[in-house]
Amino acid sequence: SYVLTQPPSVSVAPGKTARITCGGNNIGSKSVHWYQQKPGQAPVLVIYYDSDRPSGIPERFSGSNSGNTATLTISRVEAGDEADYYCQVWDSSSDHQVFGGGTKLTVL
Amino acid sequence: EVQLVESGGGLVQPGGSLRLSCAASGFTFSSYWMHWVRQAPGKGLVWVSRINSDGSSTSYADSVKGRFTISRDNAKNTLYLQMNSLRAEDTAVYYCARSHANKADAFDIWGQGTMVTVSS
Repeated sequence: SYVLTQPPSVSVAPGKTARITCGGNNIGSKSVHWYQQKPGQAPVLVIYYDSDRPSGIPERFSGSNSGNTATLTISRVEAGDEADYYCQVWDSSSDHQVFGGGTKLTVL
Repeated sequence: EVQLVESGGGLVQPGGSLRLSCAASGFTFSSYWMHWVRQAPGKGLVWVSRINSDGSSTSYADSVKGRFTISRDNAKNTLYLQMNSLRAEDTAVYYCARSHANKADAFDIWGQGTMVTVSS
């Protein structure tokens, strides 16, 4: 089955840029989606189809996908961005949706 | 307001059964594919199952195949998950989520989740 690998944690100072990676075999050929989940809350879609932002998501959130790595970039990080972030794809081989293990973003 | 509301969670003994429901409102339910995603306490998100817009096609994670059944009633705007032969490792918050009619599409709306605890 297809595996998505995320770093368990990323730390960043307020106002700086956070980059959260999602690794997978030839992930650049797949469509990657990113979700933000704050404690006790349901996940929220922040990036879809690699780099598109849903309405209401700040422009500070952006995404890219190439080769074996997809990246969620959060510019000018704020305290309110502290959350768990998950990448997700559809694996055509298994016809299953797959999530990465999640990355906890800590704002220092 | 576009909304998904899960219900039906609770405490069940190992080997028991439970049926979860997800009531949809604020959008044309019959036009969307629906999913169940679960999250064990302190763990990450895990996709469980998917059903297409008219209920004719389903898919399951290997860990639940043969034990769980996803279904929908478009007349009632409701999604279901029948869970049989429950195990301790099925303990989790269960979320329903919608996607557009494309297997590669994102989950753009999520419910608040319902907790399932499997324990004796």
